[in-house]
Amino acid sequence: NAGVMQNPRHLVRRRGQEARLRCSPMKGHSHVYWYRQLPEEGLKFMVYLQKENIIDESGMPKERFSAEFPKEGPSILRIQQVVRGDSAAYFCASSPAGLAGGPTGELFFGEGSRLTVL
Amino acid sequence: AQSVTQLDSQVPVFEEAPVELRCNYSSSVSVYLFWYVQYPNQGLQLLLKYLSGSTLVKGINGFEAEFNKSQTSFHLRKPSVHISDTAEYFCAVSDRRTGGGNKLTFGTGTQLKVEL
Repeated sequence: NAGVMQNPRHLVRRRGQEARLRCSPMKGHSHVYWYRQLPEEGLKFMVYLQKENIIDESGMPKERFSAEFPKEGPSILRIQQVVRGDSAAYFCASSPAGLAGGPTGELFFGEGSRLTVL
Repeated sequence: AQSVTQLDSQVPVFEEAPVELRCNYSSSVSVYLFWYVQYPNQGLQLLLKYLSGSTLVKGINGFEAEFNKSQTSFHLRKPSVHISDTAEYFCAVSDRRTGGGNKLTFGTGTQLKVEL
């Protein structure tokens, strides 16, 4: 029973390049969340997606960041024109749909993708 | 909006001693409460959660936490720690009302360091 899979685990980019982080949720999970963890800080919510829909993107920076969760394939967090301040660990989490069609109260996290911007 | 405060950034403790990691939250609505553990260079693993029912919640690895609504606290405890418990511990809350999402608000974490 595979957990949440994230790749790459480590990514190095130069300033101005693009970073793409991928997340495959646990089998049977239809809700995906992205969080960012800056050094010495807790996790900060970025975006919540269901298949083909962005439900809540209140934590996403207004520019350069985008996320998608297509009908087929993994969820992707895309960062364009990266800057040094984007260096962080990006965690994906997933949850199953609850009885009412919404999540059940528990998130399952992947091991994270660590982005380093030179 | 919710916020979570973990006042202790680091807690050193000797092996086999008891430990308490403090968590206080602020919210204008009812919340779900969680404790997650993060080992170095790994993702977060759920230790325990409070959704409803008994305010004393037991989790994995011998940890437990008690929800205190009047004090808006959810402190994590273990009666006897082991070296392998050395890790970062995060308290988190989510809005109970939200039927369409479990956006978690995390505290800044407490680094538990168990020494021999």
